Amino acid sequence: AQRVTQPEKLLSVFKGAPVELKCNYSYSGSPELFWYVQYSRQRLQLLLRHISRESIKGFTADLNKGETSFHLKKPFAQEEDSAMYYCAPPSRGGYNKLIFGAGTRLAVHP
Amino acid sequence: GAVVSQHPSRVICKSGTSVKIECRSLDFQATTMFWYRQFPKQSLMLMATSNEGSKATYEQGVEKDKFLINHASLTLSTLTVTSAHPEDSSFYICSASRGGAEAFFGQGTRLTVV
Repeated sequence: AQRVTQPEKLLSVFKGAPVELKCNYSYSGSPELFWYVQYSRQRLQLLLRHISRESIKGFTADLNKGETSFHLKKPFAQEEDSAMYYCAPPSRGGYNKLIFGAGTRLAVHP
Repeated sequence: GAVVSQHPSRVICKSGTSVKIECRSLDFQATTMFWYRQFPKQSLMLMATSNEGSKATYEQGVEKDKFLINHASLTLSTLTVTSAHPEDSSFYICSASRGGAEAFFGQGTRLTVV
């Protein structure tokens, strides 16, 4: 089945350390993937989309077709980055439904 | 732009009663809306997908008669939990798409059935 997979449920790092949240996908071609973030007591919100190739809050994500991955990276983690992160497909077109992976909880310790 | 409002944010109801949760897209037309259930410290579990004017498509294991979804207009979808029981207590989240690839989320509704 076409899906995204986040193998890590929890990623715990110290402030200033690099982080990489893993996401693998099984869609064919070049899927348009997204990273959403859910901070404590806040709604889910878009963090970044691969098609824009932008950096948001210091995070970047590159689509690697060879590895079918879309890992989220940040060189220096901050405590305010602590949140749940979800890799997701688009909500339209042939995908038809927006199913999230298990998500990864990032805990950044002082 | 692209704001999704969910109401109520919290609701407590008695076992056996029904409760309705509304999801509104305030500044765009939502061609598709998604309803999720989220357990503490877990991911969002898709319950159903609804397109305006059509019947909702439910995920496997989700009872259609238990969780009634109506998407009567391009700005409103409702989820009614019928004959609620304590095990229905959860955090329910709606999401709306305006035809593009990005989804926009409501703030969620915490349902407690006593």
